[in-house]
Amino acid sequence: GAVVSQHPSWVICKSGTSVKIECRSLDFQATTMFWYRQFPKQSLMLMATSNEGSKATYEQGVEKDKFLINHASLTLSTLTVTSAHPEDSSFYICSARSEGWSPLHFGNGTRLTVT
Amino acid sequence: TQLLEQSPQFLSIQEGENLTVYCNSSSVFSSLQWYRQEPGEGPVLLVTVVTGGEVKKLKRLTFQFGDARKDSSLHITAAQPGDTGLYLCAGEQGGSEKLVFGKGTKLTVNP
Repeated sequence: GAVVSQHPSWVICKSGTSVKIECRSLDFQATTMFWYRQFPKQSLMLMATSNEGSKATYEQGVEKDKFLINHASLTLSTLTVTSAHPEDSSFYICSARSEGWSPLHFGNGTRLTVT
Repeated sequence: TQLLEQSPQFLSIQEGENLTVYCNSSSVFSSLQWYRQEPGEGPVLLVTVVTGGEVKKLKRLTFQFGDARKDSSLHITAAQPGDTGLYLCAGEQGGSEKLVFGKGTKLTVNP
């Protein structure tokens, strides 16, 4: 089946630094990728939708300048958390689909801890 | 406002018992999906239902989509400890490529 690889699986960084998370579709071309954030024992909250070659569409309340999303190719999207703060600590998950209404495939998530 | 209301939020049962998880909305969905998520991992798709009234079975799991495509249920028969996890329902609305998630049901099956 389709595989989405997310890297790193966990990262610890100091407050004020930036962290980049990669999401790759390994065996299909992902026209659309989604980034979610999940707090402990809670559901997934959509942060943004990214389409290859165009600017990401952010959900209401998500800071565009803080969470930079780049979907430079059909197999790679990146999420950069800029000037991270402890409240940004969370589980970030990406998902990807090839086209139209094809099934979504999820990465295994990245656990970000900001100290 | 939560678009998809999932209940119960927590469920702890003994091995061998049956259970049902509900996913309700006042909105119509073009499709509804059920996922299972283990701690520290991404969600894994269990099933997609697209037709009102549709019933799908996956071994001991039975999924139903409401006739009006506003609600869905997941029934597990003879639960096993391996069924333990977070079960999430998620819906797609026509015209939107976004998937909206319910809050999830944390299921614990005790041996």
